[in-house]
This record gives sequence, structure tokens and C-alpha cells, in this order.
Amino acid sequence: EVQLVESGGGLVQPGRSLRLSCAASGFTFDDYAMHWVRQAPGKGLEWVSGISWNSGSIGYADSVKGRFTISRDNAKNSLYLQMNSLRAEDTALYYCAKDMFPYITMIVVAWGQGTLVTVSS
Amino acid sequence: EIVLTQSPATLSLSPGERATLSCRASQSVSSYLAWYQQKPGQAPRLLIYDASNRATGIPARFSGSGSGTDFTLTISSLEPEDFAVYYCQQRSNWPPGTFGQGTKLEIK
Repeated sequence: EVQLVESGGGLVQPGRSLRLSCAASGFTFDDYAMHWVRQAPGKGLEWVSGISWNSGSIGYADSVKGRFTISRDNAKNSLYLQMNSLRAEDTALYYCAKDMFPYITMIVVAWGQGTLVTVSS
Repeated sequence: EIVLTQSPATLSLSPGERATLSCRASQSVSSYLAWYQQKPGQAPRLLIYDASNRATGIPARFSGSGSGTDFTLTISSLEPEDFAVYYCQQRSNWPPGTFGQGTKLEIK
């Protein structure tokens, strides 16, 4: 069974940094692209970033480009999101998600339960 | 950036009825459109990808159609567990893989 467990969320002041992690199990991690998708409280879904199986292809939403960095460690079956210069509008539940293929297709076949990031002074 | 507009915002139906949800793209996305279901307090679940392909384990009462700019998710006969929020998402032009704003399917 695919399991994606996010961690690292919390309350952070505007302008500060936070690093999210996602521990994957139940599948061959380095066979799939991965994503971060977020959902502000009471709002819809927003794709944040994606990374191919070998980190050769990476993409970001315009809203986070230059501030967030996605990475993965296939040896540790882990996905990361380094978030710098956080803003109030980054407040959301952040989901770790698995693509259908090794390269980024945006077809998200599995999701974690999310980790909540709150940006507030 | 491609904008996806879902309609209606809320759909009120009874179990056993047929549900038809719409997603319109601001420009052609070919057949690169997916549908997700999200229940309160849960993560989304993939239902349909590339307009008409059911994801693994999705019941046959869910079907998708359309191409270009107009897409439809149909639930042939609503079960109690189908009442949820539904999102469409395009992958034709990324980044980003934009989502629609959602349609809430509620019990009448």
C-alpha cells in the first residue's frame, strides 16, 4: 500500500523559512515523479512543485518560484520542499503526492494526508 | 496560464440521480484533463485522467468525456459516498498544472 507521510509544518513568521519532508513507502520511490500540492483553509487545490524520478525535470508554480525549492533523496525514499521568504498567502495544508509515471505528467495517483503550514506574526 | 472554470459551483441532487459536472478551459488542453474527488477532512483522490480514463479502483458509475476546452464528469447513479467536492485539473500546459475552483456535490 502506498503511504506518503508529510512532516515539518507549523507556525512560522513572515519572511522566515521552513522545510517540509515526505516519507514514502509501499512503492519503488525512484520509479515515480513526485509533487507538492497545497490547499489554503477552505479553498481549492493549488499545484506547487513537481520533480521527476531523477531530479532531471523540476517545475514550480509562479507563486512560489524563486522562494521554494523541491528536492528528493531516492536513497532515503524522501521528498522535500524548502520554503524561504514565507508569506501569509503561503498558509495552507501541503500535500505530498505521487505521479503516475517517472517523468512529470501531473497525473497524481496518491496523496498524503498533508502537513499544515501557517505563516503569521 | 490556462484557467479552468467549473460549473455549477454547487449541485444538489439525491442518491440514485445522475450528476453532470462541467469543466471549461480558457484554451485547448487537448485531452489532458483529470478529475479528482475530495471528501471533508480527506486528501483528494484521482477519478479520471486524460479526459476519459478511469483510475485504478474507480467504480464504473464515474465517467469522463470531452476534449479541447469542454469536459464533463458524469456519475450515472449517485451513491451516498459520492457527495463531495470535485476538481478538474489540466496538464496540457505546465507548469503549473492548474486546478478548477471545484464543484460541491451535496445531498438534496
